[in-house]
Amino acid sequence: DTGVSQNPRHKITKRGQNVTFRCDPISEHNRLYWYRQTLGQGPEFLTYFQNEAQLEKSRLLSDRFSAERPKGSFSTLEIQRTEQGDSAMYLCASSLTTGDSEQFFGPGTRLTVL
Amino acid sequence: QQPVQSPQAVILREGEDAVINCSSSKALYSVHWYRQKHGEAPVFLMILLKGGEQKGHDKISASFNEKKQQSSLYLTASQLSYSGTYFCGTGFNDYKLSFGAGTTVTVRA
Repeated sequence: DTGVSQNPRHKITKRGQNVTFRCDPISEHNRLYWYRQTLGQGPEFLTYFQNEAQLEKSRLLSDRFSAERPKGSFSTLEIQRTEQGDSAMYLCASSLTTGDSEQFFGPGTRLTVL
Repeated sequence: QQPVQSPQAVILREGEDAVINCSSSKALYSVHWYRQKHGEAPVFLMILLKGGEQKGHDKISASFNEKKQQSSLYLTASQLSYSGTYFCGTGFNDYKLSFGAGTTVTVRA
């Protein structure tokens, strides 16, 4: 399977703990995006990378959130000191560089903060 | 700026048609349409770029009216497999999408 993969698929954690999610994009895609989706809503843009450079971060992304894409391949999203409001589906997507390229989404990581 | 989708939900019988609308308050670079089934990732349907083009994908097509900053998705002769939540993603540059709240489509036999 050569689609976007994300791990873990589900994560349950206690408030205050740190969590890290991983995304492996489609191999030839140099753009990678992170979104957050809550029940009944569309995906909300969090951040995006062009190769290893993080080029934009949403105001939704507080200081507790950090994302990396160290070698321009896989990416990690870390949430420190999780809060109950962080409970959501975290989606990763990737695309080619050209502006009219579709974004291919991964299956997501569902985070539940107790 | 999140686009506004209408209707919020629609119920169809197999073979019926439906239209889903997506409106933006800002000038658009592109509109992307996705379908998401419960518990799954959004699946790409089509992209429309400014220029008022219309595209088709099987019996699903879409139009983009750049002047009105609107796009419409047309479901023709709906099939059971068309059930899901449809999202429009509006692009104001060549990378960032803002998604609407979605339109839930239920197709019944």
